[in-house]
Amino acid sequence: AQSVTQLDSHVSVSEGTPVLLRCNYSSSYSPSLFWYVQHPNKGLQLLLKYTSAATLVKGINGFEAEFKKSETSFHLTKPSAHMSDAAEYFCVVSGGSQGNLIFGKGTKLSVKP
Amino acid sequence: DVKVTQSSRYLVKRTGEKVFLECVQDMDHENMFWYRQDPGLGLRLIYFSYDVKMKEKGDIPEGYSVSREKKERFSLILESASTNQTSMYLCASSLSVRGRLAGGPGETQYFGPGTRLLVL
Repeated sequence: AQSVTQLDSHVSVSEGTPVLLRCNYSSSYSPSLFWYVQHPNKGLQLLLKYTSAATLVKGINGFEAEFKKSETSFHLTKPSAHMSDAAEYFCVVSGGSQGNLIFGKGTKLSVKP
Repeated sequence: DVKVTQSSRYLVKRTGEKVFLECVQDMDHENMFWYRQDPGLGLRLIYFSYDVKMKEKGDIPEGYSVSREKKERFSLILESASTNQTSMYLCASSLSVRGRLAGGPGETQYFGPGTRLLVL
């Protein structure tokens, strides 16, 4: 069965410092992996997705994620945080019941001035 | 750009009322989904549909039903609202070749803005 674990429920960084949001997955086959972002009172927006092409995936707004099969990880990074990055981030793996997406519980990112 | 719209951003209903949440997508997507989002629990799939008049139960279908009479519209129905159905409801859609599993590998889902439902 597929599952996803976001290791931090809340991450706080200062503006201009790097961002690391951690995600581990479990899958019985080669999965597709996604990161979505949700700004306050908004729907979810796709940041990036991995579908077995390059292991380093670049997304929107300067975010990227690296698929590491040996570590079953798909951590999200950004070199320099911006105030507008404050939001909730969801790591997602494909392959739930009937092939649907399985969402992590989310990591809330706070950015201090 | 894909656009997914939901009929209401905020809704207040009383226990026992019948509640309809509407979702419309404008990109001719075959698959549509209803999730609920609760703090600390992430998103949980209620129902999905991969074709008109087709529906499949997700992980938490109890207390809900759905209707898909037209390809672009997917409705979530709370037959008799209860306080434990107070939540944020998110609709999503994805493009899929007819007959493939909904939300299969690599399928990006596009989300609406959500409906925050309060049941008193």
